[in-house]
Order: sequence, then C-alpha cells, then structure tokens
Amino acid sequence: DVKVTQSSRYLVKRTGEKVFLECVQDMDHENMFWYRQDPGLGLRLIYFSYDVKMKEKGDIPEGYSVSREKKERFSLILESASTNQTSMYLCASSLLPQSETQYFGPGTRLLVL
Amino acid sequence: QKEVEQNSGPLSVPEGAIASLNCTYSDRGSQSFFWYRQYSGKSPELIMSIYSNGDKEDGRFTAQLNKASQYVSLLIRDSQPSDSATYLCAVNSNSGYALNFGKGTSLLVTP
Repeated sequence: DVKVTQSSRYLVKRTGEKVFLECVQDMDHENMFWYRQDPGLGLRLIYFSYDVKMKEKGDIPEGYSVSREKKERFSLILESASTNQTSMYLCASSLLPQSETQYFGPGTRLLVL
Repeated sequence: QKEVEQNSGPLSVPEGAIASLNCTYSDRGSQSFFWYRQYSGKSPELIMSIYSNGDKEDGRFTAQLNKASQYVSLLIRDSQPSDSATYLCAVNSNSGYALNFGKGTSLLVTP
C-alpha cells in the first residue's frame, strides 16, 4: 500500500527559528515534491527532487531549501522562519515523471509566531 | 506561468443528483490530467486520471477530456453527502515532473 509520512501534523515555531519538515515514502519513488497550501491560493510547488541529491526549484522557493540524501527521504528547511510561512505543507511522491499519480502525505500545519 | 482554472464554488447539489465539476487549462502541450479530492483538513487523494480525449468511467465518477477545447471535467453520479469536499484539477507541467493544480471547487451535497 502507498504510504507517504510526514514528521509532524502540527508544528508551532517562533520567527527566526530554523525549521525542518521531514517526508518519507516507502514506495521506492523517484520523484518527491514539497507544496504549500493556503486558502485562496491553492497548492503551490516549493521544490521537487527527481533523484537523490538532485533538486529543482518550484514556483515559490524563496525562503526555503531542501535536502534529499536518501531516496526515501525529502526534507524541507525553513532557514529563518517568518510569519508569512505559516501554512499547510504537503509532501508528495511519484514513481515516474509525467503521466503518473502523485501520492500525498497527511500534511504538516505550521504556525510561525 | 501555466494556468489551471476552476470555479471556486461552492457548488451545491442535492443528494442523488449529478455533480459536474469543470476545469480549463492554458498549456496546449499538456498530456496528463488528474482529479483529486480533498476533505477539510486532509491531504489530496487521487480520484481519476485521464490522458486521452473522451470519457473515462470509474464507479460513480466520470472524467471527460477535450484537448481541443482545453477542458476537463468530472461528473459524480448519485452524489452522496460524503462526496462533500474540495475537488482539485491537476495538469502535468512542462517541467516533466510536477503538476499544476487549480485552486479547487468546493462541492456540497445536501441530504
């Protein structure tokens, strides 16, 4: 069965803190994605990775970085959290590029105070 | 920026009726189209994928694709209150890896 897990469901951090969001998939998928979802703005792609140690910027990479040291794990890093990064963060993975389903994790709701 | 447009709704239909959800996209080169359902506070889950013009049926769900008109739709027959959710349309992007998502249509099925 498909499974994508995220390290936290809810997270509260203070402005300026460094924040790590972890995502793990057990499907041997090549591609992994980080999105944020905000009311009225929909899902927006932050970064994606198509292989270990490979990463590509999405539509809104500013203020974020990522790490993919192992195939199953994709981390999103907020170098210095700001209040405008309060959001729902969703990780997804897919086996192949294009024409392939993306499977989503349960999401992390981050509040930056 | 490639656009995927959906009416935000809410679309309200009575139980047992057909719900029709629509999506238009701007990139003529798009080849893969997906419908996701998202319950409040939950993550998106795939309902249907469609790659060729025409209809694709899966149980109560039918996806329709018209590439000439750049239009994809989702029909839900015999709508149930449990179908009440936000439905996201997604189209493959020219990056070859990511999907472009619409902002979603909120569906409310009333008993």
